[in-house]
Amino acid sequence: GENVEQHPSTLSVQEGDSAVIKCTYSDSASNYFPWYKQELGKGPQLIIDIRSNVGEKKDQRIAVTLNKTAKHFSLHITETQPEDSAVYFCAASITGSARQLTFGSGTQLTVLP
Amino acid sequence: GAVVSQHPSRVICKSGTSVKIECRSLDFQATTMFWYRQFPKQSLMLMATSNEGSKATYEQGVEKDKFLINHASLTLSTLTVTSAHPEDSSFYICSAAPGQGNNGYTFGSGTRLTVV
Repeated sequence: GENVEQHPSTLSVQEGDSAVIKCTYSDSASNYFPWYKQELGKGPQLIIDIRSNVGEKKDQRIAVTLNKTAKHFSLHITETQPEDSAVYFCAASITGSARQLTFGSGTQLTVLP
Repeated sequence: GAVVSQHPSRVICKSGTSVKIECRSLDFQATTMFWYRQFPKQSLMLMATSNEGSKATYEQGVEKDKFLINHASLTLSTLTVTSAHPEDSSFYICSAAPGQGNNGYTFGSGTRLTVV
């Protein structure tokens, strides 16, 4: 089955700096890679996703890059703000089959004011 | 966008009682829903895949008689924790995938279960 590894487990940055979280996956058949933000006591919320036919996707301050050959993908947050503080999870799946997502272990991001 | 509603958000129950958690897809039909369990500071652990009109598929190590799943309609799946014990206290989250996952996966807001 799929295995997703995520690093780092914790990340502290100063407000305004950039944050990068990296994930690797094992199943070359995976073709859908979402990133979720989870605030304390709430369910995960999708912040950005990328499919295997694209190498990079950007949405305002958030971007995701995908390297299919190396089987890794990364989340980039620029101009971080205190409200970006949360736990971020990467995930991988194969679309079209309603298979479950395989999650990374999560990264606790803290943005220091 | 797709919305998944989960209720209740918090529940406290006594040991030995049962608790039912509901997961509804509000604006799409979901033939498949997923139930996760999350311990503090940990990732989401898939418990089972709920299939409309058929039996749920449980992950290894998850007791199907303890965690009863019913997916009687295309918009509703329920998870019942039977004979709850303190060790069942956790955060339970459901998700659904509109369009078999081609349009992403949407999560409910989670249910914090505390068994006393």
